[in-house]
Amino acid sequence: NAGVTQTPKFQVLKTGQSMTLQCAQDMNHEYMSWYRQDPGMGLRLIHYSVGAGITDQGEVPNGYNVSRSTTEDFPLRLLSAAPSQTSVYFCASASGRGQETQYFGPGTRLLVL
Amino acid sequence: GDSVTQMEGPVTLSEEAFLTINCTYTATGYPSLFWYVQYPGEGLQLLLKATKADDKGSNKGFEATYRKETTSFHLEKGSVQVSDSAVYFCALRALAGNTGKLIFGQGTTLQVKP
Repeated sequence: NAGVTQTPKFQVLKTGQSMTLQCAQDMNHEYMSWYRQDPGMGLRLIHYSVGAGITDQGEVPNGYNVSRSTTEDFPLRLLSAAPSQTSVYFCASASGRGQETQYFGPGTRLLVL
Repeated sequence: GDSVTQMEGPVTLSEEAFLTINCTYTATGYPSLFWYVQYPGEGLQLLLKATKADDKGSNKGFEATYRKETTSFHLEKGSVQVSDSAVYFCALRALAGNTGKLIFGQGTTLQVKP
């Protein structure tokens, strides 16, 4: 099993550009989520999904969209990037509705100029 | 709201020294508690967890005990190694609701010198 994979590993964007951060898992987990990691602030939940076709907002959802068309994939979209979105983004998955151990991907480092 | 507070780092220790990283939490009810570790350039890995009061989580020589009376979950290791150098995150997951949301502390960087 590859576990949780994320692409790209690193990306530079200009303000106003859009992009999609990819996340995939091969563990047949129902629950998937996106966090952002900022210095001195730990990780904060952006969006999460408890199954295909079901998504909901986390703590810091503004500026981000998600969809869950398959169990395996949970892409995160930035429609119009802003410098405040410069961060490291982590995807995580878990079995059930998120009450089990969550497994994290290696992260995507995003720099918005 | 729920929150987690960790001791500020960085923590610098010599190899074989004793490690304590303090973690306290604020939450309604009795959350599950976790320690995650992030090695340089990698994602977070679950180190240990405890799901009810007085539970002790342990893994790779690390231990933490869920203390309801002091709302704490301090991480300890008796003899650290250079390979333990990483960032350590304390986290909680509330029992209420089905969000699976983890609330993280700010992280503590540990550097172990030979």
